[in-house]
This record gives sequence, structure tokens and C-alpha cells, in this order.
Amino acid sequence: SQTIHQWPATLVQPVGSPLSLECTVEGTSNPNLYWYRQAAGRGLQLLFYSVGIGQISSEVPQNLSASRPQDRQFILSSKKLLLSDSGFYLCAWSAGTPNEKLFFGSGTQLSVL
Amino acid sequence: KQEVTQIPAALSVPEGENLVLNCSFTDSAIYNLQWFRQDPGKGLTSLLLIQSSQREQTSGRLNASLDKSSGRSTLYIAASQPGDSATYLCAVRVPYNNNDMRFGAGTRLTVKP
Repeated sequence: SQTIHQWPATLVQPVGSPLSLECTVEGTSNPNLYWYRQAAGRGLQLLFYSVGIGQISSEVPQNLSASRPQDRQFILSSKKLLLSDSGFYLCAWSAGTPNEKLFFGSGTQLSVL
Repeated sequence: KQEVTQIPAALSVPEGENLVLNCSFTDSAIYNLQWFRQDPGKGLTSLLLIQSSQREQTSGRLNASLDKSSGRSTLYIAASQPGDSATYLCAVRVPYNNNDMRFGAGTRLTVKP
């Protein structure tokens, strides 16, 4: 069966520090991968998605970047965090066709102080 | 542009009650609609997926319906239990932006013992 791992679960970082969140998927190949951010009381906002190694699409201009160095690995990064980067970050995957379910990781609560 | 709305934002019911959560979307051009459950500080767990050609899906005490033409979906929970307390989100997969999913802000359900 397929599983998705996301870490760390909680992260507290000072303003201006770098960020690296990692997500890996097991039990499937060539998944579509997504990074979402969830603000309190609001819906999920898609940040990045990837349909293959090295293929990254960004939905909104921001202080963050994403990379996909391997088929089942998706990384969210920042060189210098801002206060506004605080939030709950979720990685997700789905199979390549649009009729498939979306599955989420357990999330990372990021606090930038 | 697809917008997804969930009303009410919060709902409190006594244990044992049957309840309905509502989801509406503005554009009927969708691939499917998915209902999720989210516990505090956790990722999203997929509950039910309804394809655009389907009218409903059932899993245990949960039944989800879809009326694509009117842009509405309902999640019916039978014989609610305190363990059902969580936030429930609906999302639609759209046929653009690389088949992105658009999320509602969720309904926070509390089932009182």
C-alpha cells in the first residue's frame, strides 16, 4: 500500500533562517506531488505541484521554492524565512490521472518568530 | 474561477444525531469531489471520492451525494459519535491548472456525549 511521510511535525525558526521540509511517498511510482499551506480557519492554498522529477509549477509568488530530486521525494525550501511564512504545511500525492484520490501527509506546523 | 464554500463553519450536535454537512461550488466543470476529515494539528484523511458522473458514495455511516448541475454536495453522517468530532473539508478537482483541487474552508463538527 502507499504511504506518505512528512517531517518534521513541528518547527520553530527565527526570521531570516533557512527552511527545508521533506516529503516522501512509498508504494507508488511517478506520483503527482503537491505542497499546500493551510492558514487558520481558511481553506488550503496550493503552493507547488510536480508531475515528475525536476518539474515544478508554482501557484503563487512567494518566498518559498520546491524541488523534486527523486521520483518520490518533494522538498519545500526557503533561503530566508519571513514572519508571514508561518502556517501549517501539507504535502500530498495523487496518481497521474485526474480521477484519483488525493492523499495527504501528517503536516508540519511552522512557526517563524 | 472555482470557489468552494462550506456552511456552517461550525456545528455542534448531541451524540446519536444524524447530520448533514454542506458543500457548494461555483463551476460545475469538475472531475470529482472529495470529502476529507482533519483532526486538530493533523493532516487530511480522505473519506469519500465522488466522480463527476456519480450521484453518491457510501462508506459505513457516511454517505456523500453530488449534484453537479446545481454545484452542491452533502456529507451525511448517521448516528454521530464523539469520535466524529473533527473538521470536514470538501474539495473539487478542476480541469485546468494541471487538475488542481480547490478546497472549502471546512466545517468544524463537535459531537457532544
